[in-house]
Amino acid sequence: SQTIHQWPATLVQPVGSPLSLECTVEGTSNPNLYWYRQAAGRGLQLLFYSVGIGQISSEVPQNLSASRPQDRQFILSSKKLLLSDSGFYLCAWRGLFRSPLHFGNGTRLTVT
Amino acid sequence: ELKVEQNPLFLSMQEGKNYTIYCNYSTTSDRLYWYRQDPGKSLESLFVLLSNGAVKQEGRLMASLDTKARLSTLHITAAVHDLSATYFCAATNSGGSNYKLTFGKGTLLTVNP
Repeated sequence: SQTIHQWPATLVQPVGSPLSLECTVEGTSNPNLYWYRQAAGRGLQLLFYSVGIGQISSEVPQNLSASRPQDRQFILSSKKLLLSDSGFYLCAWRGLFRSPLHFGNGTRLTVT
Repeated sequence: ELKVEQNPLFLSMQEGKNYTIYCNYSTTSDRLYWYRQDPGKSLESLFVLLSNGAVKQEGRLMASLDTKARLSTLHITAAVHDLSATYFCAATNSGGSNYKLTFGKGTLLTVNP
């Protein structure tokens, strides 16, 4: 069966520090991969998605970036965090065209 | 641009009562998804609705899709406290290669004894 791993679960970082969140999927190949952010207002905002290695689509201009160095690995990064980057970051994968997204457990990021 | 609107955004129910959450979307879509999120947790897939008239049921929850009206509903029957959570609907544009799910803002459901 397929599983998705996301880490760390919780992170507290000072403003201006770098960020690296990692997500890996097991048990499937060539998944579509996604990064969402959920702020205090509960809505989910799509940040990036990827349909293949090295293929990244950005949805919202910001100081974040994403990379997909391997088929089942998706990384969210920032060179300098802002207070507004605080939130709950969710990685997700999707297999078959009409299948639902499957979410990781999320990373709660607090920028201080 | 696809927009997804849910209502109500907040719903307080008594145990044993019935209620419906509505999900409207702005452009043609042939795929509609419902998710549940418990406080502080990730999202769990509940239902996938793939065609007009589709109906799915799991326990006290039943979801349906009307693509002509661009409307999906999540009906709660005889609510119990364990159903307290935030429920999201999500849709994709139909046709072509579509990879993005657009989510509604969520409905925070509280079931009171």
